[in-house]
Amino acid sequence: DIVMTQTPLFLSVSPGQSASISCKSSQSLLHSNGKTYLYWYLQKPGQSPQLLIYEVSSRFSGVPDRFSGSGSGTDFTLKISRVEADDVGVYYCMQGVHLLTFGGGTKVEIK
Amino acid sequence: QVTLKESGPVLVKPTETLTLTCTVSGFSLSIPRMGVSWIRQPPGKALEWLAHIFSNDEKTYSTSLKTRLTISKDTSNRQVILTMTNMDPVDTATYYCARIGSSPPFDYWGQGTLVTVSS
Repeated sequence: DIVMTQTPLFLSVSPGQSASISCKSSQSLLHSNGKTYLYWYLQKPGQSPQLLIYEVSSRFSGVPDRFSGSGSGTDFTLKISRVEADDVGVYYCMQGVHLLTFGGGTKVEIK
Repeated sequence: QVTLKESGPVLVKPTETLTLTCTVSGFSLSIPRMGVSWIRQPPGKALEWLAHIFSNDEKTYSTSLKTRLTISKDTSNRQVILTMTNMDPVDTATYYCARIGSSPPFDYWGQGTLVTVSS
């Protein structure tokens, strides 16, 4: 199975600053159809997870453009620009090229 | 409006079989490539995908849990059912169902249901 490793485990960010989360997969997430199946989800405190980014860099409907995804192959990054109080929670990456696997999560708090 | 809602027991005993139901609305389980997944989250821990089923009855299971899981659907009643056998305290978790298929996976989630395994 594909293992997803996120770093850091914890991030404390001042409002207005940027934050980056890394996600590495144990195998390439590039499918033979040319798509890369890497997703990002945010689980706000006490809530179900919500989809932020799909296929590495496409923002889901309603997601602010402060959220951006990048990467290829096995290395991926989620960047949050101009962090706001509402961005707190745990961020998960997930691969979908072979079965489905989540990363361990990165908890983001506001200083 | 798309919604999913999980239901099932809040408490099960070790060795028992857990049966959870996900009732969906706002979309049909008969639409090609539409499906529902089950995902769980032990308290304070990460998400773990368990299984999914598509409209054509294609089923896929987590490698580590496939011997214990069975997923099925009742299209007319808009329900997806997950059974997990031989429950253990380590299976204590919030169990979520989420939509998968024609959109990016897990675009809609249920609220989750906490299942505790204890004697």
